[in-house]
Amino acid sequence: DGGITQSPKYLFRKEGQNVTLSCEQNLNHDAMYWYRQDPGQGLRLIYYSQIVNDFQKGDIAEGYSVSREKKESFPLTVTSAQKNPTAFYLCASSIAGQGAEQYFGPGTRLTVT
Amino acid sequence: AQSVSQHNHHVILSEAASLELGCNYSYGGTVNLFWYVQYPGQHLQLLLKYFSGDPLVKGIKGFEAEFIKSKFSFNLRKPSVQWSDTAEYFCAVNPDNAGNMLTFGGGTRLMVKP
Repeated sequence: DGGITQSPKYLFRKEGQNVTLSCEQNLNHDAMYWYRQDPGQGLRLIYYSQIVNDFQKGDIAEGYSVSREKKESFPLTVTSAQKNPTAFYLCASSIAGQGAEQYFGPGTRLTVT
Repeated sequence: AQSVSQHNHHVILSEAASLELGCNYSYGGTVNLFWYVQYPGQHLQLLLKYFSGDPLVKGIKGFEAEFIKSKFSFNLRKPSVQWSDTAEYFCAVNPDNAGNMLTFGGGTRLMVKP
């Protein structure tokens, strides 16, 4: 089955700890994205990557970091510098190109206390 | 920066009622437009999209949307909703100067009462 997997589904962390969210895709897509979903605010872009070993900041990159060492994988680290990390995080992928449909993973709900 | 507005945050309808969800965007150039849906417990998935041509676009499950360029709008419609349409709906815009980046609206949570 082709698709995007995110793990874990639920994640709990103490304030001050870094945490890494996993995202893997087997769709052979070049582009991958991380979004944050908060109630009433829709999806906001954190980071995106158009190709391996390259990534760019999205609208709300502060307090987050990513890597893209393999085409299939795009992990997101939520650092202790992120002021309000509790949220639902969605990973997506697409082919390269204007207006390409993005395919989404099931999401990870992160709770930081 | 581009913005996308979905004016209705929560909509409650009875089965068989007609649905129209509003979406307006702020970019003045050429755009590609999308509606995504998130059913309870499921992945966000594409409902329909507009790239060019006929401004009335038909999608899955009987949904359609109309692009009105003069109004910067891309409203989603369905003549008769079902309980299974209960979900959150997101409008997204891809401006022609943004590669494959999407800007999403805030979402509309639809509840259909049986």
